[in-house]
Amino acid sequence: GNSVTQMEGPVTLSEEAFLTINCTYTATGYPSLFWYVQYPGEGLQLLLKATKADDKGSNKGFEATYRKETTSFHLEKGSVQVSDSAVYFCAPSHYGGSQGNLIFGKGTKLSVKP
Amino acid sequence: EAQVTQNPRYLITVTGKKLTVTCSQNMNHEYMSWYRQDPGLGLRQIYYSMNVEVTDKGDVPEGYKVSRKEKRNFPLILESPSPNQTSLYFCASSALTSGVHAIEQFFGPGTRLTVL
Repeated sequence: GNSVTQMEGPVTLSEEAFLTINCTYTATGYPSLFWYVQYPGEGLQLLLKATKADDKGSNKGFEATYRKETTSFHLEKGSVQVSDSAVYFCAPSHYGGSQGNLIFGKGTKLSVKP
Repeated sequence: EAQVTQNPRYLITVTGKKLTVTCSQNMNHEYMSWYRQDPGLGLRQIYYSMNVEVTDKGDVPEGYKVSRKEKRNFPLILESPSPNQTSLYFCASSALTSGVHAIEQFFGPGTRLTVL
């Protein structure tokens, strides 16, 4: 079945630092790939996505590129802000049939200090 | 406004007392799912539904039931709650492309359940 390995946290950075959160996955077929973000006290919301190899998803200064050859979808941001403090989840989706079982990475908690 | 709603948001109960957490979406999504979130374990899928009257187990279904009688609603039922079901629960919904592929999921605000 599918699986996803996400960089363990917590990650603590100073404002304006560079962020990378690693995510690798195993999947049958060619899943779409997602990053979700969970701000304190809230549900998850989509941050960005990529639907095919070499696609780059981007939003709010975050980027991630669908790397089929390395089965990775690492999240990056060039200059983090205090408001980016949240938990980030990587998630592949499934193709085909009745495979509706969706999985998430364990989440990476990011804290950004002023 | 497109949204997923869950009720209640907070619940404290005792072992063995049946409870239901409701979930409703207004986006006409085919796919709905329940997750629990626990420290160090991330988000784990309990049950999902690909359409009305079609439900299936996720990774941690033990101790839970669901039903999908209408497209918009997907209640989570705990027939006999136990303390190990204390958790933060999220409902989510998604459209399906070509009827089979879940795309972006929309999440409810969460239900924090404590079982004493």
